[in-house]
Amino acid sequence: DAKTTQPTSMDCAEGRAANLPCNHSTISGNEYVYWYRQIHSQGPQYIIHGLKNNETNEMASLIITEDRKSSTLILPHATLRDTAVYYCIVRVAQKSSGDKLTFGTGTRLAVRP
Amino acid sequence: NAGVTQTPKFRILKIGQSMTLQCTQDMNHNYMYWYRQDPGMGLKLIYYSVGAGITDKGEVPNGYNVSRSTTEDFPLRLELAAPSQTSVYFCASSEAGTGYGYTFGSGTRLTVV
Repeated sequence: DAKTTQPTSMDCAEGRAANLPCNHSTISGNEYVYWYRQIHSQGPQYIIHGLKNNETNEMASLIITEDRKSSTLILPHATLRDTAVYYCIVRVAQKSSGDKLTFGTGTRLAVRP
Repeated sequence: NAGVTQTPKFRILKIGQSMTLQCTQDMNHNYMYWYRQDPGMGLKLIYYSVGAGITDKGEVPNGYNVSRSTTEDFPLRLELAAPSQTSVYFCASSEAGTGYGYTFGSGTRLTVV
């Protein structure tokens, strides 16, 4: 699986958009980009994933560059409850492998009042 | 639905003791996983299972054992507890091993003294 690079920490003001970048310059054509977050000491929570098109769901938007070497997770209106560690993960979608998400240290997002 | 249930939530073990961390899911997911998370670090995969009767090692399997006799249950066994096993343990499940939609339990915080 391709390696990802994320900033260690970020902050944003409540109500503003939070844009979390992720570099994955060695991504291959069949690898997806996944985002999870971990609030305090809870188990991680799935947010969104994509291959090459931009994706949006009720939680966030995922913007993947045309060359797929980087992506940005966007929380459109951050709230205090969005304070968490955000993990960007790249891996092949292998249905038969049962394979393993590899969590790095992620980006610690602090939403300030 | 309860999702993924882990018990106990907290436990203190003495060196050399053994214990089983329980994990149950009610979503009929085929794939289940055990991760550990040390302070300030990402999650590391211990063991995973792609279905009842099938288990495989992850990144850090030493000192642990698992079994998967039913779709619902995936217990993690520590035979001879060591201080290095002090960590937070998360169980997760997914419908398929594709990387998205993992559901995590709330974790078991284990201290070995």
